[in-house]
Amino acid sequence: NAGVMQNPRHLVRRRGQEARLRCSPMKGHSHVYWYRQLPEEGLKFMVYLQKENIIDESGMPKERFSAEFPKEGPSILRIQQVVRGDSAAYFCASSPGQGMYTEAFFGQGTRLTVV
Amino acid sequence: ILNVEQSPQSLHVQEGDSTNFTCSFPSSNFYALHWYRWETAKSPEALFVMTLNGDEKKKGRISATLNTKEGYSYLYIKGSQPEDSATYLCASTGNQFYFGTGTSLTVIP
Repeated sequence: NAGVMQNPRHLVRRRGQEARLRCSPMKGHSHVYWYRQLPEEGLKFMVYLQKENIIDESGMPKERFSAEFPKEGPSILRIQQVVRGDSAAYFCASSPGQGMYTEAFFGQGTRLTVV
Repeated sequence: ILNVEQSPQSLHVQEGDSTNFTCSFPSSNFYALHWYRWETAKSPEALFVMTLNGDEKKKGRISATLNTKEGYSYLYIKGSQPEDSATYLCASTGNQFYFGTGTSLTVIP
């Protein structure tokens, strides 16, 4: 059973371009969480999704950021018109049920560098 | 949003020493407390999930306790080894996981 897969592992974008980060959850997991780790900071919650639904996006910046988890295929975190401040490591995690009592399994992250 | 705090931020211990660190979380609307171990260049790995006041979990030399009434959990490492060097994260769960900023442990051989 493959773990949570994130790709790409490293992504370089110029200011103003779009960044697309993909997360394939573990088999059988229908809950996905996205976190951002800025330099010298911990994991900051961004968004929590179930298949085809956004459950909690309270951590998402209001502009330029969006996330989806379609019925088929990976979850996508999209950042439009990237700026230098978007440079960070983005982690996704998945769980089989709502995360309260079940552990989440993390991917290895996508390191986004905006130049 | 739940405010989860961890202390200390970083810790250096000698090989063989025992150590512990703290996770504080809001005691209201508590569901579960998770501990994760995060090694450099890897992804966080779950250590424990605890739900009940007074819970104590153990995995090898690592153990954790939970006090939901006062809102804290301790993680203990007995006889630290260099391979224990990592960042230890705790998370309190409501609708999703609210993580602390972690305690970075370095075990010096």
